[in-house]
Amino acid sequence: DTAVSQTPKYLVTQMGNDKSIKCEQNLGHDTMYWYKQDSKKFLKIMFSYNNKELIINETVPNRFSPKSPDKAHLNLHINSLELGDSAVYFCASSQELSVWNTEAFFGQGTRLTVV
Amino acid sequence: SQQGEEDPQALSIQEGENATMNCSYKTSINNLQWYRQNSGRGLVHLILIRSNEREKHSGRLRVTLDTSKKSSSLLITASRAADTASYFCATRGYGQNFVFGPGTRLSVLP
Repeated sequence: DTAVSQTPKYLVTQMGNDKSIKCEQNLGHDTMYWYKQDSKKFLKIMFSYNNKELIINETVPNRFSPKSPDKAHLNLHINSLELGDSAVYFCASSQELSVWNTEAFFGQGTRLTVV
Repeated sequence: SQQGEEDPQALSIQEGENATMNCSYKTSINNLQWYRQNSGRGLVHLILIRSNEREKHSGRLRVTLDTSKKSSSLLITASRAADTASYFCATRGYGQNFVFGPGTRLSVLP
């Protein structure tokens, strides 16, 4: 069973469209994340979310918004897509019971191409 | 500015050789972790070292941490073609997100 799953795996869309990427984790973790990996493979945190708090990276445009219907899901909505949004987006989760030993579990990524 | 920075950016070695990658960071951390990413796949956690630890082993992996120099190294011994991947270090402070470096692309040639 996949621990962190994202859909779709590939997404090709036109500029100006609105799209969503779904993420689900079956690990019972209390914190979920969205990362953006650019063409140079650099991973940048976009959001982290747990039951209590949404932390937004201030550099993320407000066209991006996370939606968490429940603890196991953190979806990413993107409005008015731009060419520069093309990247691979990774969802991840972790359990924050002990920050000393916490590791992140990643989904397989969604390759978004804006044309 | 990014927290972790790996060095070198790319590394090519022959199968059977050892591969060493380094990571430097800037602020205080709680732990440091190494992840592997195969082409087109998600990241997979390899090993975690706490800030009060200096060395850790897991199979063919050896990680060191020097908090005075704010640096870590990942050694993969007796490398295999299947070790070809990108390797990322990630740091965590208290209550902070995982902050990743740009990664080292390792190619192990048969």
